[in-house]
Amino acid sequence: AQSVTQLGSHVSVSEGALVLLRCNYSSSVPPYLFWYVQYPNQGLQLLLKYTSAATLVKGINGFEAEFKKSETSFHLTKPSAHMSDAAEYFCAVKKGAQKLVFGQGTRLTINP
Amino acid sequence: KAGVTQTPRYLIKTRGQQVTLSCSPISGHRSVSWYQQTPGQGLQFLFEYFSETQRNKGNFPGRFSGRQFSNSRSEMNVSTLELGDSALYLCASSPLTPTRQYFGPGTRLTVT
Repeated sequence: AQSVTQLGSHVSVSEGALVLLRCNYSSSVPPYLFWYVQYPNQGLQLLLKYTSAATLVKGINGFEAEFKKSETSFHLTKPSAHMSDAAEYFCAVKKGAQKLVFGQGTRLTINP
Repeated sequence: KAGVTQTPRYLIKTRGQQVTLSCSPISGHRSVSWYQQTPGQGLQFLFEYFSETQRNKGNFPGRFSGRQFSNSRSEMNVSTLELGDSALYLCASSPLTPTRQYFGPGTRLTVT
């Protein structure tokens, strides 16, 4: 069964610093991979997705993620954190028509 | 296009009662998925409907059920509510297969 592991339930960075949120997946074949963001009292918003095209995926709000098959990773990065990036971030994996499987989430805090 | 709408947004029920939550997908979307989000278990897949048929089901007891109507609107029902059913219930829609899901704001259910 495919699964997703997000390393670090809480990440804190200073405004303007690099954001790095880690995600590792387990799957027998390259799956579809996603990063979602959830702001307080809201649903999930798709940041970006990997669907076996380019390994470096650019998303909204300046985020990007790199698919590394050898490391089974799909880490999310942003060069310069902004206060508005404070939210909870979820990595998810999906293979074919199967359900979306989410990681446990990483709460990102931005320090002024 | 209007986004995914969920009603009601907030709900308080008593143990033993039953509840019905509603989800209206984006116009033209035929797939609707439901997820339960709790602090302890994170985001868990409940079920997915496509063209009025349940296509995927998560590992939830039979107290959780759903259906989809011919206009793609979906409802989920929870019978004999338990305290542990308190959660944010998220609905997501997609055009065909859930490769790209659009989430609604969720219904926050509190069971007392």
